Amino acid sequence: AQKITQTQPGMFVQEKEAVTLDCTYDTSDQSYGLFWYKQPSSGEMIFLIYQGSYDEQNATEGRYSLNFQKARKSANLVISASQLGDSAMYFCAMREGRVERDSNYQLIWGAGTKLIIKP
Amino acid sequence: DSGVTQTPKHLITATGQRVTLRCSPRSGDLSVYWYQQSLDQGLQFLIHYYNGEERAKGNILERFSAQQFPDLHSELNLSSLELGDSALYFCASSVDSELMNTEAFFGQGTRLTVV
Repeated sequence: AQKITQTQPGMFVQEKEAVTLDCTYDTSDQSYGLFWYKQPSSGEMIFLIYQGSYDEQNATEGRYSLNFQKARKSANLVISASQLGDSAMYFCAMREGRVERDSNYQLIWGAGTKLIIKP
Repeated sequence: DSGVTQTPKHLITATGQRVTLRCSPRSGDLSVYWYQQSLDQGLQFLIHYYNGEERAKGNILERFSAQQFPDLHSELNLSSLELGDSALYFCASSVDSELMNTEAFFGQGTRLTVV
């Protein structure tokens, strides 16, 4: 079974509109972390935002916020006031692991969503 | 700039050859992770080193090997290369304390093309 599911292979959004990128996850761990990364056409992987499983508040970083719904196992990324430079691939990733075990803290990745911002 | 340096940025080589990809983590980061990103497989975890020791292996082929040196830089060795090894290879580093909220910082990747 997929551990990270991103159901939107691609999205077109008008500049200045808000956009929500979907991510659902599957884990039996109580302690885990959820990440969003952006990959522009140049190829580098850029960290955007993090949400811990025990965090009670939704994470925010500038124009990025994470809509964390733990019971539904979803961690959607919201980009407010989209800009042309937001056009990129967006990846949701999860790190599982408990402190008690020798966790390897690897990231498990979704397939990504290609976001294109239209002027 | 993430602070993680990968060299070379691009590599074109023939099938059957061997190449070495190099990664310098961010200053102070003890963990290095290697990932492979190919068109058909997406991002796959290969291997994780922490302070010079191998911590975990993912979907790494036997033809591939890696090591982390005392100065914490890491090398990924790919041998007997096949066309299907063509991919973007990422190195990432993190502090890796016992906390969960340590994001991994990625290098710009090495794009390997096997012809």
